[in-house]
Amino acid sequence: GAGVSQSPRYKVAKRGQDVALRCDPISGHVSLFWYQQALGQGPEFLTYFQNEAQLDKSGLPSDRFFAERPEGSVSTLKIQRTQQEDSAVYLCASSLPGGKKLFFGSGTQLSVL
Amino acid sequence: DAKTTQPTSMDCAEGRAANLPCNHSTISGNEYVYWYRQIHSQGPQYIIHGLKNNETNEMASLIITEDRKSSTLILPHATLRDTAVYYCIVRVGGNAGNMLTFGGGTRLMVKP
Repeated sequence: GAGVSQSPRYKVAKRGQDVALRCDPISGHVSLFWYQQALGQGPEFLTYFQNEAQLDKSGLPSDRFFAERPEGSVSTLKIQRTQQEDSAVYLCASSLPGGKKLFFGSGTQLSVL
Repeated sequence: DAKTTQPTSMDCAEGRAANLPCNHSTISGNEYVYWYRQIHSQGPQYIIHGLKNNETNEMASLIITEDRKSSTLILPHATLRDTAVYYCIVRVGGNAGNMLTFGGGTRLMVKP
């Protein structure tokens, strides 16, 4: 498909478990963003990549959250030792360099029990 | 980025125009107004953006007041599929990481 692809669509984790969420951006989009959306709230910025460089990680809530994009394409958001408060939808978005609009995936819904 | 204020929710009859207001009284001269919407269980979708002139595309029209302190998103003929949360966002244009700061948005319910 031509859109941003995220997997898995749903993830259930036990508290303390590590999880990895994958994002496949649109081909040719060098900018990639991760957002976290709690139930009933707007998305909140987590981190931003331009190609493989992580230029902004100011939104990551703790050092348990780690994101990477080693080859400037696919990105992975990793959460270590998950807590119940990590339960949310994690959205990935990409854009062209200098582009003014973001293209979002459908997100991964993470539930931590 | 400037803060925006939107009504929490609105209703609209199917086939009628939906007018969604947004207040951004602290907007700066180099900040654009963006609108995104989020249909249930999907990621946000770009609708339209503008700086100071009114804009129209295949999805909607954006009317920005002359002082730029408020704007209105117009869906000319709302359908049931337009039921969604609509976010008004103000941010500096250009390549500033294109980061968007979402608020709570307006939950638009289109009714038959």
